[in-house]
Amino acid sequence: GNSVTQMEGPVTLSEEAFLTINCTYTATGYPSLFWYVQYPGEGLQLLLKATKADDKGSNKGFEATYRKETTSFHLEKGSVQVSDSAVYFCALSLYNFNKFYFGSGTKLNVKP
Amino acid sequence: ETGVTQTPRHLVMGMTNKKSLKCEQHLGHNAMYWYKQSAKKPLELMFVYNFKEQTENNSVPSRFSPECPNSSHLFLHLHTLQPEDSALYLCASSQGLGGETQYFGPGTRLLVL
Repeated sequence: GNSVTQMEGPVTLSEEAFLTINCTYTATGYPSLFWYVQYPGEGLQLLLKATKADDKGSNKGFEATYRKETTSFHLEKGSVQVSDSAVYFCALSLYNFNKFYFGSGTKLNVKP
Repeated sequence: ETGVTQTPRHLVMGMTNKKSLKCEQHLGHNAMYWYKQSAKKPLELMFVYNFKEQTENNSVPSRFSPECPNSSHLFLHLHTLQPEDSALYLCASSQGLGGETQYFGPGTRLLVL
């Protein structure tokens, strides 16, 4: 089947620390991969995406590389800020399916 | 971001009430979605519409009734809800089906008393 597994949270970091949030997937075809972010009281916002193997998505200092060999799409940022505190969702979609498969979300707390 | 708007942002209703949630997208998309987000549970896809036609109903109870009069508007009609239906209801849209990026609204926070 199709599914996304991401690391349990919450993840608590100090400002300027390095961030990694792990995401692995299983898919019956060739998925597109996404990271969404949800700030408190808001809906989900697209953070970045990658549509094929070895593609790197990047936005606002966040990066993730589509690794087909390890079926992973880990989210990284070199130096987090307090304003990055939010819930991060990994997701996949398949061309022949009309829906997304979301991970359970990872809450990030960044302390000053 | 005003691409996808939802009203109301907050709603409190009794179990015997009837209310409706509204979603509007200004992105020229053809597909629209309803999701339910409950505390400590994964996002649940409820309904999918493509060019106003419902393409998916994810075994949602009949007390939730969707309506899509055109590609820009999506409603979720609520009646005789239960307290466990309290959640954040998110609307999303995409250009089409088949793996397209989905863009989300801010959600309606629903509390059923």
